[in-house]
Amino acid sequence: QSVLTQPPSVSAAPGQMVTISCSGSSSNIGTNSVSWYQQLPGTAPKLVIYDSNLRPSDIPDRFSGSKSGTSATLGIAGLQTGDEADYYCETWDSAVAEVIFGGGTKLTVL
Amino acid sequence: QVAVLQSGAELKMPGSSVKVSCAASGGGFSRYAVIWVRQAPGQGLEWMGGIVPAFGMINSALKFQGRVTITADASKTTVYLEVTSLRDDDTAVYYCARGEYGEGSNYFDSWGQGTLVTVSS
Repeated sequence: QSVLTQPPSVSAAPGQMVTISCSGSSSNIGTNSVSWYQQLPGTAPKLVIYDSNLRPSDIPDRFSGSKSGTSATLGIAGLQTGDEADYYCETWDSAVAEVIFGGGTKLTVL
Repeated sequence: QVAVLQSGAELKMPGSSVKVSCAASGGGFSRYAVIWVRQAPGQGLEWMGGIVPAFGMINSALKFQGRVTITADASKTTVYLEVTSLRDDDTAVYYCARGEYGEGSNYFDSWGQGTLVTVSS
């Protein structure tokens, strides 16, 4: 059971937009920045959003991030079949001084 | 980003120990942190601990304290994870990653390819 709560799965059609939520508390998301990672099957995680809403230079602007209070959201617009992956949110929990990950969300592009 | 290379797969007996290495190309990890994350088959990501080699700062998850040791070599270009008293449920892919963590920026932008550790008698 993760401290950060994500939906187990989301799905949408190619070209559509999908959002993935990550719910935490005042000691983690409420205080610290959030990152998001994409993990394609059989590969290492890849950073897609950092500092809650910034994209690394190699990530297309179809990916977006936001944070409000104790929740964060990853948005992916113009879905492509290549976006099918597991997505994880991550932050620092100041109460326990640990890096924490959400349980992960499996994105299916129908 | 930097290229990160981990040591190869390991097969271990229950009760034994394993030591996995993580090396960065082009001059090491600089002032960045290196964390260890594991992923059991079909499961999510689990943080084990981290080190800032340049300053010798080490943090570890409460769950693994007493069983996990994270170190860096003198040149600060290679980081190691040692897990003792291995159990069947330690079977997982172990990843290292470079970045920052703590109150402020949290992100890991360079990941190793992963090291499969299988614990089986």
